[in-house]
Amino acid sequence: EVQVLDSGGGLVQPGESLRLSCTVSGVTFSHYAMVWVRQAPGKGLEWVSGINGSGGSKYYAASVKGRFTISRQNSMNIMHLQMNDLRADDSAIYYCAKVSDFYYGSGRFDYWGQGALVTVSS
Amino acid sequence: QSVLTQPPSVSGTPGQRVTISCSGSDSTIGRNPVNWYQQLPGTAPRLLIYGSNQRPSGVPERFSGSKSGTSASLAISALQSEDESVYFCSSWDDSPNARWVFGGGTKLTVL
Repeated sequence: EVQVLDSGGGLVQPGESLRLSCTVSGVTFSHYAMVWVRQAPGKGLEWVSGINGSGGSKYYAASVKGRFTISRQNSMNIMHLQMNDLRADDSAIYYCAKVSDFYYGSGRFDYWGQGALVTVSS
Repeated sequence: QSVLTQPPSVSGTPGQRVTISCSGSDSTIGRNPVNWYQQLPGTAPRLLIYGSNQRPSGVPERFSGSKSGTSASLAISALQSEDESVYFCSSWDDSPNARWVFGGGTKLTVL
């Protein structure tokens, strides 16, 4: 059974940093791309970042480029999202999701984590 | 402002058939398959339809998807109360600003 578990959310002040983690079990982790998708309170889904199976290609939404960094450690079946210089409009539930393919830009998000709440407020 | 356009809400009565539309562009739905996600209140999204018209195992046959040109549709037949949820369409955008995009979501109310 495939399981995706995200963690690391919390309350931070504007300008501070936070790191989210996502662990995956039940599959050969390195065979699949992974993404982060966020959802602000009462709003829709917004793709944030993606990484291919090897970790060699990374992609970011314009709204977070230069502030967020995605990474993965295939030996430990874990992915991270390092978020720096956080702003109030970054407040959202952050979901990690497994992509059905090795390559980031194809397939679908077939398994999702339960979400990690990030609140940026002074 | 979402890249893909969905109606904010639709409604239907039990047993009825409803459809949810999703409109995009050449660089999104026009050249790429559409995926649909269902999000029940307080839960993470769940994959409902992939490749425009394929159902993952465990998704009832009542759910179906289609695509034509730059638009796609999700149809739910024999509507049940447990179908009350928010539905999102999604597609890859292969424009120079390559990215995954979503619709704004459609709230389905079962009357």
